[in-house]
Amino acid sequence: DAKTTQPPSMDCAEGRAANLPCNHSTISGNEYVYWYRQIHSQGPQYIIHGLKNNETNEMASLIITEDRKSSTLILPHATLRDTAVYYCIVRVAQDSSYKLIFGSGTRLLVRP
Amino acid sequence: NAGVMQNPRHLVRRRGQEARLRCSPMKGHSHVYWYRQLPEEGLKFMVYLQKENIIDESGMPKERFSAEFPKEGPSILRIQQVVRGDSAAYFCGTGANTGELFFGEGSRLTVL
Repeated sequence: DAKTTQPPSMDCAEGRAANLPCNHSTISGNEYVYWYRQIHSQGPQYIIHGLKNNETNEMASLIITEDRKSSTLILPHATLRDTAVYYCIVRVAQDSSYKLIFGSGTRLLVRP
Repeated sequence: NAGVMQNPRHLVRRRGQEARLRCSPMKGHSHVYWYRQLPEEGLKFMVYLQKENIIDESGMPKERFSAEFPKEGPSILRIQQVVRGDSAAYFCGTGANTGELFFGEGSRLTVL
């Protein structure tokens, strides 16, 4: 089972920031938070990941709370092409396996 | 998703036939993960392989499904005696030791 909880859907206006929340209250100290998205039926696309510190790349920013129990993915200027299902994932490290367990995600609709 | 090649993109099989799905990792990637996505559902982990080794097959059905990642050539997901319930999109994600996975565009299997 996924170790994260996300709202099933959100929407935002084009050009505005999209803030997608994620709860992962049972995260362990060495487990990373990953964000992926899936546009329509395409393959999942890696966005960003982090452990403790906030992270930023050309796509998004990831804000992780100090207690690591929740995080927020920020798309600073959402476009229509950002409409997708966004998955927040805690990477499970078990023996030698680092599989990603996808939950239901948040369906983000960017409105014109 | 650039670099992870999956083929065929679409495959139609009749019940009882065999389906073989191939995944060529990005250059330098030695970790392969297979996921299945049923229509209108999320991605379910199936199997994790490294070169010539199955590391984690906890998501694989016990019968008819097998996977390999030989020393040379692509990873192959093999489904024997397909049934209608096997109709799904099968995604391959590959990675190195850095953690993030990059996914292909998937293979869509339709069983008639």
